[in-house]
Amino acid sequence: NAGVTQTPKFRVLKTGQSMTLLCAQDMNHEYMYWYRQDPGMGLRLIHYSVGEGTTAKGEVPDGYNVSRLKKQNFLLGLESAAPSQTSVYFCASSLLAGTPSYEQYFGPGTRLTVT
Amino acid sequence: DAKTTQPTSMDCAEGRAANLPCNHSTISGNEYVYWYRQIHSQGPQYIIHGLKNNETNEMASLIITEDRKSSTLILPHATLRDTAVYYCIVRVGDNYGQNFVFGPGTRLSVLP
Repeated sequence: NAGVTQTPKFRVLKTGQSMTLLCAQDMNHEYMYWYRQDPGMGLRLIHYSVGEGTTAKGEVPDGYNVSRLKKQNFLLGLESAAPSQTSVYFCASSLLAGTPSYEQYFGPGTRLTVT
Repeated sequence: DAKTTQPTSMDCAEGRAANLPCNHSTISGNEYVYWYRQIHSQGPQYIIHGLKNNETNEMASLIITEDRKSSTLILPHATLRDTAVYYCIVRVGDNYGQNFVFGPGTRLSVLP
């Protein structure tokens, strides 16, 4: 199993540009999450999904949109990037249906710089 | 979810046990204690979790006090590769979709 993978690993955007970050998991997990981590800080939840076709807002959702069209993929979109969105973005997944296990498995991260 | 308090940083000699404390005095009866770690720039890695009883796996042991107001993560034989930020999180285990709140954590430095 590859676990949780993220594409791309690095990206530089100009202010106002748009982009989509892709997260994929091959563990048949029900739940998926997008976090951001700023230097020296803990992780903050942006959006999450409890199943295919469903999404919900987390702690810091403004400026981001998400979609979960397939169970294994969770996309994070920035419609008009701003310098304040410079961060490292982590995707995570959890809960194999039918098990009591809720621990989250994280991807390697995407380092985004907005100039 | 209950708030946790951890020391900002700790040092540990290589080969010795690393004991990382966490205070969660406002924990509720249905909240679990989870431990994660983040090795430089990588995604956080799950270590262990527990509700009431002490737990052990191949990575670590988790000791939870009887009143559940604090816990200790034990890495029995710390190696240089265990240098990381360790996060203690309490949350309802079956609160589906609820995020894990990662605070600043404890920066553990394992020294040769």
